[in-house]
Amino acid sequence: KAGVTQTPRYLIKTRGQQVTLSCSPISGHRSVSWYQQTPGQGLQFLFEYFSETQRNKGNFPGRFSGRQFSNSRSEMNVSTLELGDSALYLCASSQQGFNYEQYFGPGTRLTVT
Amino acid sequence: LAKTTQPISMDSYEGQEVNITCSHNNIATNDYITWYQQFPSQGPRFIIQGYKTKVTNEVASLFIPADRKSSTLSLPRVSLSDTAVYYCLVGPNAGNNRKLIWGLGTSLAVNP
Repeated sequence: KAGVTQTPRYLIKTRGQQVTLSCSPISGHRSVSWYQQTPGQGLQFLFEYFSETQRNKGNFPGRFSGRQFSNSRSEMNVSTLELGDSALYLCASSQQGFNYEQYFGPGTRLTVT
Repeated sequence: LAKTTQPISMDSYEGQEVNITCSHNNIATNDYITWYQQFPSQGPRFIIQGYKTKVTNEVASLFIPADRKSSTLSLPRVSLSDTAVYYCLVGPNAGNNRKLIWGLGTSLAVNP
C-alpha cells in the first residue's frame, strides 16, 4: 500500500496570506488527523476528520480549518498567516479511528516571512 | 487528559538495551499507552501500544506495572539507526474523545 502523502512538501508564504495543505491517507483509512510541530512546542494536535466530519479539535484559533472529502483526502487551511505559524505540518491516517496506530506523512514545511 | 513525563534526552551505545520510562500519574481506566519514534524531517512512526503488563513485538517491548502510572519502552540491542526522538502518548483508543497530548519526547542518541 502507498503511504500517506502530503503536498506540497515545502512552502514559503508571506505574513497575512493564506495557505492550503493537502493530505492523501492510506487507502481504506477513514480517519485523518493534522498536527503542527515546532521545536519549542513539539507536536500539537490540530483536528481529526472521520468520514468527512470533524470529530476532534485541538486548541488552535479559528484561522486553522480543515475539511475531508468523500475519498478521505483532507485539506488544511490557514488564513491570515502569522510568523508563528512557521512549522512542520503533519498529517496522519488510521483505520476506523479505533486505535492509535496512526500512519504519518512526511509533512509540509511551512515558512512564513 | 493524561499528561506524560519522559526524560528529555538519553545516551546509549550500540548493542546496549535502552529503557525509556514515561510517567502518567493520572491515566484513566480506558486509556492505552502508545509509543512513537520520529527521525529528523520525517513523521512519527508507531512502535508499540499496550494497556497493561507486557507487550512485545519485533522491535520493542512495553512494560506496564499494575498501577499503570508509568510505562517503560525497552529497545533491545540498539544500533546507530535507533537514534531518534521517542514519544509516549496516553489516551483512549475508541470513541470520539481522542485528543492526544504529545510532549517533547525523549531524544535518544546511540553512539558507536
